[in-house]
Amino acid sequence: AQSVAQPEDQVNVAEGNPLTVKCTYSVSGNPYLFWYVQYPNRGLQFLLKYITGDNLVKGSYGFEAEFNKSQTSFHLKKPSALVSDSALYFCAVRALNSGNTPLVFGKGTRLSVIA
Amino acid sequence: DGGITQSPKYLFRKEGQNVTLSCEQNLNHDAMYWYRQDPGQGLRLIYYSQIVNDFQKGDIAEGYSVSREKKESFPLTVTSAQKNPTAFYLCASPPLTGPVDYGYTFGSGTRLTVV
Repeated sequence: AQSVAQPEDQVNVAEGNPLTVKCTYSVSGNPYLFWYVQYPNRGLQFLLKYITGDNLVKGSYGFEAEFNKSQTSFHLKKPSALVSDSALYFCAVRALNSGNTPLVFGKGTRLSVIA
Repeated sequence: DGGITQSPKYLFRKEGQNVTLSCEQNLNHDAMYWYRQDPGQGLRLIYYSQIVNDFQKGDIAEGYSVSREKKESFPLTVTSAQKNPTAFYLCASPPLTGPVDYGYTFGSGTRLTVV
């Protein structure tokens, strides 16, 4: 079975400071990992994904994520937070060789960037 | 522009009523999915369809029904058997098999409220 844990319901950070949103996963075999962002009353927007290759993945809006196989983690990071980054962030996973089975999503982490 | 259209944006249901949420895509994707979003619970899979005239139950299918008669359309019916239907409903579609660059495309969602 596949699962995702986002241990923090809420992350608060001051504008200009670095931010980290945590994600750990459980999957049989190699993972296919995603981060999505959601603004109020909207669908989810893709930020970045990891399949294979470099452990540091760069995505949209200056976000990046670090894949750590030994810790089964895929934390989302940004060097300098903006107020406009305030939103709900979801981590998602499925097994890489599971065909087109649906992604399993975490419960989400609300990021609040304070000016 | 290709995308997913969900309608209506807001829907109110009386106790005992069935209601149908629309999801239409012009992406030429085979697969379409329905997720339910509740505060603090993330996204949970209701039903999914990998191809026309075929669909499978997800994790929380009880009280819901779907059909997939056309590639472009995947309507979700919330029946009176669903005891707690108030939620935000999201329709999504993964890209065609092959290189996957942008993950799922999501609709803008339908907010269903029981009155």
